[in-house]
Amino acid sequence: AQSVTQLDSQVPVFEEAPVELRCNYSSSVSVYLFWYVQYPNQGLQLLLKYLSGSTLVKGINGFEAEFNKSQTSFHLRKPSVHISDTAEYFCAVRRSGAGSYQLTFGKGTKLSVIP
Amino acid sequence: IAGITQAPTSQILAAGRRMTLRCTQDMRHNAMYWYRQDLGLGLRLIHYSNTAGTTGKGEVPDGYSVSRANTDDFPLTLASAVPSQTSVYFCASTRTSGSGSGELFFGEGSRLTVL
Repeated sequence: AQSVTQLDSQVPVFEEAPVELRCNYSSSVSVYLFWYVQYPNQGLQLLLKYLSGSTLVKGINGFEAEFNKSQTSFHLRKPSVHISDTAEYFCAVRRSGAGSYQLTFGKGTKLSVIP
Repeated sequence: IAGITQAPTSQILAAGRRMTLRCTQDMRHNAMYWYRQDLGLGLRLIHYSNTAGTTGKGEVPDGYSVSRANTDDFPLTLASAVPSQTSVYFCASTRTSGSGSGELFFGEGSRLTVL
């Protein structure tokens, strides 16, 4: 089974400052990793995903994440945040390949961008 | 517009009542999922279906049942609602055939309050 730990439940950051949201995972098999964003009163939408290849993954809205297998981490970063980035962010994992498509989610990190 | 439709968007329910949350997708995805989202706990998988005619239990299945009579519909039923089932419920789907990561697409959620 896989598990995900999001190390910060809340992250306040000033507008135009950089941000990093931390995610660590645990798995005995190779995995795919995802970051989803949830704006207030909405469903989740995919920000980015790591399947294989380059460990630096770029997503929508200027976000990027780096897969670090040795540290079992998949931290999300943005060099300059906007007010519109205020949302809850979820890291998720599933085993790689076909056959099992269920995602296991972390508990989420609420990003608050301060004007 | 292609996607996932959930109904109702919000419902207040007396304890002991039966309730069915509806989920319909028009993307012809073969796998569908029900998650519940609770503050501080992230999303937890209730039930899933890898293909029409099959279902499986997730992390928190007790008190819930599902059916998958066809590809498009995946209703979630609470046979006798209890206050601990107060939550926001999300339906999701993914394509599992062919190439791809099994990215989940989410509905907008159904907010259920059990009194």
